[in-house]
Amino acid sequence: AQSVAQPEDQVNVAEGNPLTVKCTYSVSGNPYLFWYVQYPNRGLQFLLKYITGDNLVKGSYGFEAEFNKSQTSFHLKKPSALVSDSALYFCAVRADNYGQNFVFGPGTRLSVLP
Amino acid sequence: NAGVTQTPKFQVLKTGQSMTLQCAQDMNHEYMSWYRQDPGMGLRLIHYSVGAGITDQGEVPNGYNVSRSTTEDFPLRLLSAAPSQTSVYFCASSLGRQGKVNQPQHFGDGTRLSIL
Repeated sequence: AQSVAQPEDQVNVAEGNPLTVKCTYSVSGNPYLFWYVQYPNRGLQFLLKYITGDNLVKGSYGFEAEFNKSQTSFHLKKPSALVSDSALYFCAVRADNYGQNFVFGPGTRLSVLP
Repeated sequence: NAGVTQTPKFQVLKTGQSMTLQCAQDMNHEYMSWYRQDPGMGLRLIHYSVGAGITDQGEVPNGYNVSRSTTEDFPLRLLSAAPSQTSVYFCASSLGRQGKVNQPQHFGDGTRLSIL
């Protein structure tokens, strides 16, 4: 079975400060991990993914994520938050032995305060 | 490219009515899927398809049917609407096996469905 946890429903950060949105996962095989962002009344948009290789993955809009196999985590980070980063963020996982379907976490709402 | 197009954007139904949510993609993607989004529960997979003529159930398939007669279209049918099906529905597509399955999904903007 596959599962994803995002332990924080809401993350608040001041503009210009670094941000972290946490994600932990559970899979039986090798994980493939994705981050998506959702703005109001829109569908999810792809930010970045980890498939293999370097544990630090860089993505769109200055976001990056660090894969940590021992802690089964894939936290999303950004060095300097913008007000426009305020949105709903989803972590998703697929195991390499589990077909093509992904499991999504419950989402974390990020609010960047001016 | 329009990407993934969902219609309608909003719909209100009465309990027991049926309807079809439309989804079309113009990217020649093999894999298509339907999710429902409910507060605090993330996205849950309803049905998916790995190619024309092939569909399968996801995590929450009860009360929904799908078909995939063409690569482009993947409609979702509510057979007899119930208040528990009030949700936001998203259609998504990706390359699938032709892209070695680890390509990101492209999402439509959703259909907001209320069942009274």
